[in-house]
Amino acid sequence: DAMVIQNPRYQVTQFGKPVTLSCSQTLNHNVMYWYQQKSSQAPKLLFHYYDKDFNNEADTPDNFQSRRPNTSFCFLDIRSPGLGDAAMYLCATSRGSAWEQYFGPGTRLTVT
Amino acid sequence: GEDVEQSLFLSVREGDSSVINCTYTDSSSTYLYWYKQEPGAGLQLLTYIFSNMDMKQDQRLTVLLNKKDKHLSLRIADTQTGDSAIYFCAESNNNQGGKLIFGQGTELSVKP
Repeated sequence: DAMVIQNPRYQVTQFGKPVTLSCSQTLNHNVMYWYQQKSSQAPKLLFHYYDKDFNNEADTPDNFQSRRPNTSFCFLDIRSPGLGDAAMYLCATSRGSAWEQYFGPGTRLTVT
Repeated sequence: GEDVEQSLFLSVREGDSSVINCTYTDSSSTYLYWYKQEPGAGLQLLTYIFSNMDMKQDQRLTVLLNKKDKHLSLRIADTQTGDSAIYFCAESNNNQGGKLIFGQGTELSVKP
């Protein structure tokens, strides 16, 4: 089945220790998104790639970066995680910017 | 900026209909979505409606859109215990590159 896969499902990192979250898709979609969802809150868009074009949201902290080496994979890098970065990180894909988004299961990040 | 609001909780009896309401502020919204999130999981796209429609039905789900009042609702007929989850309303428009603006989510509790 075509799908959006996120690894790992659970990630524990130490305060200030860089961490990378992974997303892959078999849908061959052009657009890949990263959302941050804190406990009991709505998902909030961090950035997205349209093909190789990177689009950062204005209020996304510099601590968060992303890479998309090819159509199938996209990574979220957190350079120096703080306690406030503990959240569920959701990857989504869509065929184009005007199409519905399909979400992966998420990676729950804990910062100790 | 754009805002999407939902009531936080809804409790129904199994077999009853559930109606989850959402209001939004962006008059240029092009698409409106309903997503379902079960505990610890990603977001599952349930249904969506284009802004030029006022109703969409898909099996047990009925979406009603009142564009004048910027009000969206999701009706679930014959609600089952498996429908217990958080339901997110979201809107997007073509001018924002597909960015989804989510409501806070409505926690639906279905009692046997």
